[in-house]
Amino acid sequence: NFMLTQPHSVSESPGKTVTISCTRNSGSIASNYVQWYQQRPGSAPTNVIYENRERPSGVPDRFSGSIDSSSNSASLTISGLKTEDEADYYCQSYDTSNHVIFGGGTKVTV
Amino acid sequence: QVQLLESGPGLVKPSETLSLTCTVSGGSVSSGSYYWNWIRQPPGKGLEWIGYIHYSGRTNYSPSLKSRVTISLETSKNHFSLRLSSVTAADTALYYCARGTIVALEFDPWGQGTLVTVSS
Repeated sequence: NFMLTQPHSVSESPGKTVTISCTRNSGSIASNYVQWYQQRPGSAPTNVIYENRERPSGVPDRFSGSIDSSSNSASLTISGLKTEDEADYYCQSYDTSNHVIFGGGTKVTV
Repeated sequence: QVQLLESGPGLVKPSETLSLTCTVSGGSVSSGSYYWNWIRQPPGKGLEWIGYIHYSGRTNYSPSLKSRVTISLETSKNHFSLRLSSVTAADTALYYCARGTIVALEFDPWGQGTLVTVSS
């Protein structure tokens, strides 16, 4: 099994860009797809990135995802930050037994 | 569009069994393209995957909860259920159901969640 590590919190001003990392501690980040979820206070999570870099319909193109094999991490980048982007963000992947693993979550403050 | 809705008791006594149901509307639990998942979130904490069931009956559980978890599917009622036995205060959480794709285990949509408190 492996762990996904995210920064506890990030803060940036409106209009700026923020990038959240999600580092896998064993095995290749490219071995299994990574998803990202946004969870606003009092609401259920919603998917903002799936299969490493794909955006569900309805998610603004200000949200983008990538993976980097050199750092063995995935990243979620939010550009043109808006106050409505203030939320907790979770990365998620799975292992070879299809056991799902979530990162610890990152609180984004705008 | 597909919607999921959790239901069940909000209060369970220690050592008893937690039982929740997730009713699916706008889609079918008999679809072979999806896994039907349970995920929980203790108050103020992160997300924890509990397990899933496929319409074929195949289940997959978190290793940390496997000894206490049963997920079942009832196609005639288009719902799936969670049973978690021998609960303690550590099982107090918001419980979500979610549909997951077979390809990437991407969860979409999620239910609104239901809070279960374990207390005597």
